[in-house]
Amino acid sequence: AQTVTQSQPEMSVQEAETVTLSCTYDTSESDYYLFWYKQPPSRQMILVIRQEAYKQQNATENRFSVNFQKAAKSFSLKISDSQLGDAAMYFCAYRSPLQGGKLIFGQGTELSVKP
Amino acid sequence: DVKVTQSSRYLVKRTGEKVFLECVQDMDHENMFWYRQDPGLGLRLIYFSYDVKMKEKGDIPEGYSVSREKKERFSLILESASTNQTSMYLCASTPPRGGQYFGAGTRLSVL
Repeated sequence: AQTVTQSQPEMSVQEAETVTLSCTYDTSESDYYLFWYKQPPSRQMILVIRQEAYKQQNATENRFSVNFQKAAKSFSLKISDSQLGDAAMYFCAYRSPLQGGKLIFGQGTELSVKP
Repeated sequence: DVKVTQSSRYLVKRTGEKVFLECVQDMDHENMFWYRQDPGLGLRLIYFSYDVKMKEKGDIPEGYSVSREKKERFSLILESASTNQTSMYLCASTPPRGGQYFGAGTRLSVL
């Protein structure tokens, strides 16, 4: 069974600085998807970024980028130029192509942004 | 944009009541999911459905059932609500490839 681990329950960053959130996963599959979701205080889960395992190039969405290390089974999220609106719970998630779209989530990292 | 709508943002029920949580998506997705979210435990999958009238148990199905009579609607049922079912409930749907789209969540309190 696949597992996803986020080892940082809480992180803090100064506004305009860069922060990296860590995520590791365990799987025996070679084809899969990885995601980072953001959950602000409103509780709405928002998809931040996605990575297909077969793509070697790291995904980027504006100020958000990932460092995908397939061999190491690591998938970290980098937030550049942090803004107050980035404060949220961030979840890393794994999707197998074989299980009907099920996601396996990490425990989450609570990010606070200091002005 | 994909829209996933949960019928209630907040719900207060009494122990023993039958509770229905409704979820509707507008993108013709086949796969739909129900999660509960509790502090420190992350999101845990209760049930999912990959087609009308089809359902699969997730990691914590005990005390819950589901109904999928139409493709766009996926209902979570608490047959006899208990206090330990007080939680945030999140519904999601997903296309064949890519991530899940979530509703705004229902915060259920069982007194």
